[in-house]
Order: sequence, then structure tokens, then C-alpha cells
Amino acid sequence: AQSVTQLDSHVSVSEGTPVLLRCNYSSSYSPSLFWYVQHPNKGLQLLLKYTSAATLVKGINGFEAEFKKSETSFHLTKPSAHMSDAAEYFCVVRTTDSWGKLQFGAGTQVVVTP
Amino acid sequence: EAQVTQNPRYLITVTGKKLTVTCSQNMNHEYMSWYRQDPGLGLRQIYYSMNVEVTDKGDVPEGYKVSRKEKRNFPLILESPSPNQTSLYFCASSPAPTPNEKLFFGSGTQLSVL
Repeated sequence: AQSVTQLDSHVSVSEGTPVLLRCNYSSSYSPSLFWYVQHPNKGLQLLLKYTSAATLVKGINGFEAEFKKSETSFHLTKPSAHMSDAAEYFCVVRTTDSWGKLQFGAGTQVVVTP
Repeated sequence: EAQVTQNPRYLITVTGKKLTVTCSQNMNHEYMSWYRQDPGLGLRQIYYSMNVEVTDKGDVPEGYKVSRKEKRNFPLILESPSPNQTSLYFCASSPAPTPNEKLFFGSGTQLSVL
């Protein structure tokens, strides 16, 4: 079985400051982990994914995430927030034993203020 | 253009009136899946399909049916909709079976059951 917990339901940052979105997972098997972003009234778009290669993963729009097995975490960061980063972000886990099933976190709403 | 197409975009119906939400992809993807999105709960998987004629339950399958008679289409059927099925629904697809593949999402269907 697998599960995902996003530790913050809302994050508010000022434009130009760092963003940190926290995600913890549990999985009995080797996980594949993803971050997706959903802008208002849009579908979901992949930001980045971890698939057991490098533990530090770079994605689109300046985002990156670090896989820490000892902490079962996959936190998403960006050094400098932009107004266009205002959106909802979802952490997702998939495992090799039942890869057809996906678990989404509850989401983190990011607000960026000028 | 590679895409996942859902129809309709918005649907208002009454309790008990059977409905179908269509999902079609033009990327020859083997894997397709359905999700519902509710505030504070993220996305929850309803059903998924690994290939034609192969479907399986996700986390919240009660009250829903699916079929996969051809590769490109994966309709979601609500035989007797109830108000607790009011939600935003997403269809998604991905290429051949590994857990590392990203999902391509449709634009969503907002369903209201009165």
C-alpha cells in the first residue's frame, strides 16, 4: 500500500522569495514520485518526477525536488517565486508492485503576493 | 496535437438519470484512468485500465462503471448518479506500462447532480 501526505494545505509567499512545498510518502516498494501543478480551471501538468536515478530532480519553470529515502520525503522547492507560480500543487506516488494505482496528496494551494 | 479529450466540459443532471462522460486520447497510450477532485481531498482514483478489455478499481469505484473496448476511448458511466457524485472529474492517459511515465490529463468535467 502507498500513501502521500502534503504537510501544508496553503502556502503564501512574496514574489522573489523561495518556495517550499512539503510531501511525505509511505510505500512498501520502490516508489516513483511526481509533482503536478494545476492552474485555475486547467488540467494537471507534470512539473518533475523521481524514478530512482538522481535523488535531486530538476523540473520545469525552475522547480526542483529532492528524494530523501531516510525521511520518506520528496519536498518541492523553487529559489524565487513568480506570480505565475500561483496554483495548486499535488504530490503523487506510484509503486512498482501496483503501478496502475496512483495516490495523490490533498494538494497545496500556493498564493504569491507582489 | 497530442491530447486527452473529455466531454462534456460541464454537466448538470438529476439524481438517478444515467450519464456517460467520454474520454478519448490520440497518443496510442495503453494506460488510462479516471479521477475525481474534491476540495481538501486532492484527486482520488476511480478506475484505471492497463489496456483494452483490462480494467481495475481505484480507491473510490462505488457508483461508477467503465469500459475499454478500444484503445483510444475510456468512458466513465454513472448508472444512477447521486448528489455525492457532484465533483470535478479528470481522465488521464500514459504510455506503455512502467511506473515512471507521466500522465496526460484532460481538461476536466464539472458534474453537478441535483
